[in-house]
Order: sequence, then C-alpha cells, then structure tokens
Amino acid sequence: GAGVSQSPSNKVTEKGKDVELRCDPISGHTALYWYRQRLGQGLEFLIYFQGNSAPDKSGLPSDRFSAERTGESVSTLTIQRTQQEDSAVYLCASSRGQDNEQFFGPGTRLTVL
Amino acid sequence: QKEVEQDPGPLSVPEGAIVSLNCTYSNSAFQYFMWYRQYSRKGPELLMYTYSSGNKEDGRFTAQVDKSSKYISLFIRDSQPSDSATYLCAMNTRGGGNKLTFGTGTQLKVEL
Repeated sequence: GAGVSQSPSNKVTEKGKDVELRCDPISGHTALYWYRQRLGQGLEFLIYFQGNSAPDKSGLPSDRFSAERTGESVSTLTIQRTQQEDSAVYLCASSRGQDNEQFFGPGTRLTVL
Repeated sequence: QKEVEQDPGPLSVPEGAIVSLNCTYSNSAFQYFMWYRQYSRKGPELLMYTYSSGNKEDGRFTAQVDKSSKYISLFIRDSQPSDSATYLCAMNTRGGGNKLTFGTGTQLKVEL
C-alpha cells in the first residue's frame, strides 16, 4: 500500500481481555515504531524494531504489553489483561532506516470498558 | 517535570494571522527537532525537521531552534482554515535510534 496501515481502526474491549493490534508498514521500510497517545497527552514511545536487531522495548509500560514483527513486514502489539488506563490511540510508524522520517499510520483507538 | 513542555491550547486565530507555536525542553542531549501536524483522527505527518540552532523556512512555515535556551518554535504565516490541526513538537538524541520524544501538542483553529 501507499502508506502505513493499521487495524482495527477502533477496538472496544472489556477490562481483563487481551487485544491484538496490527500494523502494516510501508514496503521496504526497515524500521517500525509503536507509540501510544492518551487523551490530552503527547505520543509516548513504546517499542522500536530495526531490521533483524533486537527490538528496543524500553518504552513498554508493563509486562502486559508485548510486540512482534515478522521480518521487515507486519507487526502486532498485544496487550494482555487490559486495564482502563490502557485506553488510548495506538500509533504505528515506519521509516526507511533508523535516522529517516517516520511515517505514521492512522492509529487504532482502543477503549477499555 | 516532562522532558518536553508544550502549551496544549486551544489557540484560535483569524485567517491570515501569523501563528507562533512553541516548545521547551530540558534534555540537553536532544539534537534533532521536528514539528508534526495531526488532523483529527489521523496520524501525525512531518512538517519540519531541523538539527541546528537557527531558522529553517519552507513555504509558509518557519522552524526556529535555540539550543542555548532549549526552546523551539514553529511560525505559520498567512494562516488558513486548512491549517487547523494539532501541532506536535518532537525531538531525539544523536544515536537515539530515532526514538522520538513528543510534546503534548497544541490545538490550533484558524477561523474565517
């Protein structure tokens, strides 16, 4: 596709359930990032994948959060045992390399009831 | 204290006005500075990128960086209703793997 795509666009879940969010980066982009945007706050870095290197997980807020990436393509962000404070927009971005412009997807709006 | 401070607004201006948006930061290791524009329900898009103190101009937009004061600005000339959006400053360190630290964003509305 022409840009970064994310699915689902909206997700409503009950507290305690697990959710999986998907990101399809721009073809050929080796770097992929996940950010979280809570209401009234800036984007918070969560995790970063660069090629075959070990991911930088330093932004993950708890062990309930994990992410995987298959090669240089799709990534999934998994949140286990969701809590109400996990409600946010989860944004994915990709770039050609680690020092290049990041292109963002439209985000997944997660609501935990 | 947050590493990056940005007034959330909202900021409302008449069409044609000059808009000034600002961020301050505390981490002197930040070397690269960006401004993103985010329309409602969309992902951020990069507007300006700069890595040195001084001004950088692109059309109606001017980015200004003052590393000695740890202060960055974005100026929009001849503002248009289509400029109505949230403007986010972002920055990262050299060797930081492009892991961006964002301000909270300033909501701008340009009125007819």
